Amino acid sequence: DQQVKQNSPSLSVQEGRISILNCDYTNSMFDYFLWYKKYPAEGPTFLISISSIKDKNEDGRFTVFLNKSAKHLSLHIVPSQPGDSAVYFCAAKTGGYQKVTFGTGTKLQVIP
Amino acid sequence: DVKVTQSSRYLVKRTGEKVFLECVQDMDHENMFWYRQDPGLGLRLIYFSYDVKMKEKGDIPEGYSVSREKKERFSLILESASTNQTSMYLCASSLSRAGNEKLFFGSGTQLSVL
Repeated sequence: DQQVKQNSPSLSVQEGRISILNCDYTNSMFDYFLWYKKYPAEGPTFLISISSIKDKNEDGRFTVFLNKSAKHLSLHIVPSQPGDSAVYFCAAKTGGYQKVTFGTGTKLQVIP
Repeated sequence: DVKVTQSSRYLVKRTGEKVFLECVQDMDHENMFWYRQDPGLGLRLIYFSYDVKMKEKGDIPEGYSVSREKKERFSLILESASTNQTSMYLCASSLSRAGNEKLFFGSGTQLSVL
């Protein structure tokens, strides 16, 4: 039972344009959501997070939007850069509990 | 910065062998995790530990066990390796159970079971 889903396995975007990565979840107990980026031969690294009391969080070129009623979140990267090419994982957790559930990942390719 | 070190980058084992994957973190984190990454399946949680000698099953614990005898070290054990356990194994740690607490990952161990 996949509680966190990323329905697009891959995405290609031109350099300078916006990248939008989507994530859906089914467990209404999740109240923290995180995005991780993974380069080949490296472990994932934390990118940005959002709690369920917010609907938007920004950090530089990265913005995460949360729509609780739709159980949907998205990561926007503006402008996209070739160095952003990586696999992006959406993750979710329940506050006060250690377990983190990850999605299947979206491979982003930013074309120069 | 937090460092999570996995003992091997690549491992090749035979079916039926007992396999140990070791992970060490240097920041006194409470929690440690083992995930496996497979194409199309993302990161799936095998086991995690929230204290020394304390562990909890993740989503796919079958065929695996874990050991946490010291706070900084978390071992994943494949009692009898099988070909379907060929995968990238990722260890992670986090400081606490706080909601926005992020995970720090090691570089991974690519295990091939022949």
